[in-house]
Amino acid sequence: AQSVTQLDSQVPVFEEAPVELRCNYSSSVSVYLFWYVQYPNQGLQLLLKYLSGSTLVESINGFEAEFNKSQTSFHLRKPSVHISDTAEYVCAVSNAGGTSYGKLTFGQGTILTVHP
Amino acid sequence: DAGITQSPRHKVTETGTPVTLRCHQTENHRYMYWYRQDPGHGLRLIHYSYGVKDTDKGEVSDGYSVSRSKTEDFLLTLESATSSQTSVYFCAIRAGDRGYEQYFGPGTRLTVT
Repeated sequence: AQSVTQLDSQVPVFEEAPVELRCNYSSSVSVYLFWYVQYPNQGLQLLLKYLSGSTLVESINGFEAEFNKSQTSFHLRKPSVHISDTAEYVCAVSNAGGTSYGKLTFGQGTILTVHP
Repeated sequence: DAGITQSPRHKVTETGTPVTLRCHQTENHRYMYWYRQDPGHGLRLIHYSYGVKDTDKGEVSDGYSVSRSKTEDFLLTLESATSSQTSVYFCAIRAGDRGYEQYFGPGTRLTVT
């Protein structure tokens, strides 16, 4: 069975400060990893994904995440946040291959609040 | 935008009544999923489908049933709604056989009184 742990339920930061949202997973097989963002009263939007290749993946709006297999982590970072980054961020993991039917296991989410 | 719509978007119903939520997609995706989202629990899989008439249970399937008679529609039914089923329900599709990422609909907020 897989599990995902997001260590911080809430992260407050000031505008233009750097931020790191932590995600650790547990799995006995190879994994694919995802970060989603959810704005109030909306569905989840895919922010970035790791499937294979480079362990550092980037999104179009300045976020990046690094897959660390030895530490089973996939932390999300941004060097300078904006007010508009205020949202809930959810980490997810899936078995790489096999017959899991693409099922995702989600963390409980981290609410990022950016203050002016 | 993965072309996913959910209906209704909001519903209030009484305990013991049947409720059906609809998920509709326009891009012929094979895999579809129903989740519920609750504070402190995150997203939990209720049921999923891997083709027309091919469905299976997720981790929180008790009290729910699903049907998929057409590729584009995946229905979630609460046979007899209970207050514990008050939640936000999300439908998702999986993008292609190689891509494991899922794309989500806008959600349905269900309140059972």
